[in-house]
Amino acid sequence: GESVGLHLPTLSVQEGDNSIINCAYSNSASDYFIWYKQESGKGPQFIIDIRSNMDKRQGQRVTVLLNKTVKHLSLQIAATQPGDSAVYFCAEIKNTGNQFYFGTGTSLTVIP
Amino acid sequence: EPEVTQTPSHQVTQMGQEVILRCVPISNHLYFYWYRQILGQKVEFLVSFYNNEISEKSEIFDDQFSVERPDGSNFTLKIRSTKLEDSAMYFCASSQDQGGTGEQFFGPGTRLTVL
Repeated sequence: GESVGLHLPTLSVQEGDNSIINCAYSNSASDYFIWYKQESGKGPQFIIDIRSNMDKRQGQRVTVLLNKTVKHLSLQIAATQPGDSAVYFCAEIKNTGNQFYFGTGTSLTVIP
Repeated sequence: EPEVTQTPSHQVTQMGQEVILRCVPISNHLYFYWYRQILGQKVEFLVSFYNNEISEKSEIFDDQFSVERPDGSNFTLKIRSTKLEDSAMYFCASSQDQGGTGEQFFGPGTRLTVL
């Protein structure tokens, strides 16, 4: 399943399928990006980060892709599990600053 | 595993009252942050704090807000005279390095309800 981030804030996928969550960031000067997962009633939890000098970074079951030309960030989750159900936020920051800007978020629901 | 803690988990107050939200960052972290999240909306940056002073703040962080590190472990957010629109989840975060180079660890949040 695929989401267009700010335009489609909900995404439902079958357990075992791959998920793609998209984010359009606003500031071309941003050079560090993070994907956060937020479960109901909890604070944001770091998933994976990427710097602007990279276009892809892989973690365990997750991959982040960065397209600076169109200011687009995506999070791919392989073999989505029920525990992946949460709201996913992208955040951007300038390397010299401390102010993170969060996106609106996409709610991912995994159907067993 | 070390974690950021926040108290109380839920604070209910009357409009116009002062509230203090408390956070204990991870002990070897040097940078501290407050964010808020109004129900159903995105997380918004309020302020960052380093070396006992504010390093950055957003336009939300007006004169009604203040932060303090009163001792070696606590980091507090004070709202002087609460308004209805201050009702939100408030998240504290800390990092070892400056925001652009280090992961920020978030606390579980304090839900503030202003009546």
